[in-house]
Amino acid sequence: EDQVTQSPEALRLQEGESSSLNCSYTVSGLRGLFWYRQDPGKGPEFLFTLYSAGEEKEKERLKATLTKKESFLHITAPKPEDSATYLCAVQAYLSGWGGSEKLVFGKGTKLTVNP
Amino acid sequence: DADVTQTPRNRITKTGKRIMLECSQTKGHDRMYWYRQDPGLGLRLIYYSFDVKDINKGEISDGYSVSRQAQAKFSLSLESAIPNQTALYFCATSRLADPNTGELFFGEGSRLTVL
Repeated sequence: EDQVTQSPEALRLQEGESSSLNCSYTVSGLRGLFWYRQDPGKGPEFLFTLYSAGEEKEKERLKATLTKKESFLHITAPKPEDSATYLCAVQAYLSGWGGSEKLVFGKGTKLTVNP
Repeated sequence: DADVTQTPRNRITKTGKRIMLECSQTKGHDRMYWYRQDPGLGLRLIYYSFDVKDINKGEISDGYSVSRQAQAKFSLSLESAIPNQTALYFCATSRLADPNTGELFFGEGSRLTVL
C-alpha cells in the first residue's frame, strides 16, 4: 500500500530561522511527488511537482528536493506569511497512466512562523 | 471571483437528512473531484469525474453520490447524513496532462457538521 508520512506534525519557527519539512514515501515506483500549501479555512494551493531523484524546484523562500525515499521542503529565512499547513502527495507508477485521481496525500505539517 | 466555487461554505444538519454540496468552476477543466479532509487523516478522494458522462468512485465513496450536471458543475450528495460524515469537503479541478503535474485547483471548502 502506498504511504506518505510527513514530519514533524507541527513546527514553530522564529522569523528568519530556516528549517526543513520532511515527506517520506513508500510507493511501488514513484511517478511524481507534489507539494501543496494550505492556509486556514482555505483549499490547498499547488506549489511544486518533482518527478525524479535529484530534482529541485524553488519558489521564493521555498525549495523542494527529492531523493528515492523522501522529499524535503526547505524554508529559508521564513516570514510570518509562510505560516500554513504544507501537504505532500505522491502518485505511484503502478497506479497506471492516470492523473490526479491517483494522488495519495500525507497528513501535513503545520508551520507557524512567529515575528 | 474564485475559479472553483463551493456552496454552502458551512452547513449544520441532523442525522438522516439529505444534503447536497455544490461545486462550480470557471477554469474550463474537464476533470473534477470531491475530497474529504479530517483532522489527522489528510485528504481522501470520494468521487471524481473526467467528463459529464464519466463518474468514478474514489477511496471512500460509501454513503455518498455525485452528479455531473455540466462540464462546470459537480455536486456531492449525502443521501442520509450520519455524524461521522462531519468533515471539511473540498471540490477540485485539474486539466489533463502527461506526465501528470499533480496540479489540483481547490475550492475554499464546505464545512459540514452532522448532529
